[in-house]
Amino acid sequence: AQSVAQPEDQVNVAEGNPLTVKCTYSVSGNPYLFWYVQYPNRGLQFLLKYITGDNLVKGSYGFEAEFNKSQTSFHLKKPSALVSDSALYFCASGRNYGQNFVFGPGTRLSVLP
Amino acid sequence: DVKVTQSSRYLVKRTGEKVFLECVQDMDHENMFWYRQDPGLGLRLIYFSYDVKMKEKGDIPEGYSVSREKKERFSLILESASTNQTSMYLCASSLSGGYYGYTFGSGTRLTVV
Repeated sequence: AQSVAQPEDQVNVAEGNPLTVKCTYSVSGNPYLFWYVQYPNRGLQFLLKYITGDNLVKGSYGFEAEFNKSQTSFHLKKPSALVSDSALYFCASGRNYGQNFVFGPGTRLSVLP
Repeated sequence: DVKVTQSSRYLVKRTGEKVFLECVQDMDHENMFWYRQDPGLGLRLIYFSYDVKMKEKGDIPEGYSVSREKKERFSLILESASTNQTSMYLCASSLSGGYYGYTFGSGTRLTVV
């Protein structure tokens, strides 16, 4: 069965510093990997996805993620964090027809001014 | 842009009431999903549908039912609301194929008193 792990419940970073939110996956075959962000009392918003090709994927709001097949990871990164990046971040894996997404448990990012 | 619209942002209902949560998407997506989100438990799939009049149980279907009479509309029904169904409910839709990703509605925060 496929699974997605986000090993950190909470990540704290100072404004202006680089941030990383970690995600590892367990999926047979080639995974489709996604990052979503959720602001308080809102739905999830798509940030970026990896399907195939270049391992470094760029997305919305200056975020990027690096797909690492050997480490089965898809960590979310941003070179310089903003206070407005504070939110809940979900990693997800999708696969073939007939299989639903698997979401990680979420990581709460707090960017401190 | 695809829009997924949930009819209510906040809802307060009494124990034992029958509750309808409505979700409408405007981009002809085949798949629709209902999740609930609770602190510490992440996203849990309640029901999903791959086609009109078709429904499949997710991980936590007990106490819920769904209806999909038209492609664009997916309704979640709480047959007899209970306090343990107080939660954030998220609707999502997608095209078929795991590489498309999900589009989420803004969520309905339901409180059962």
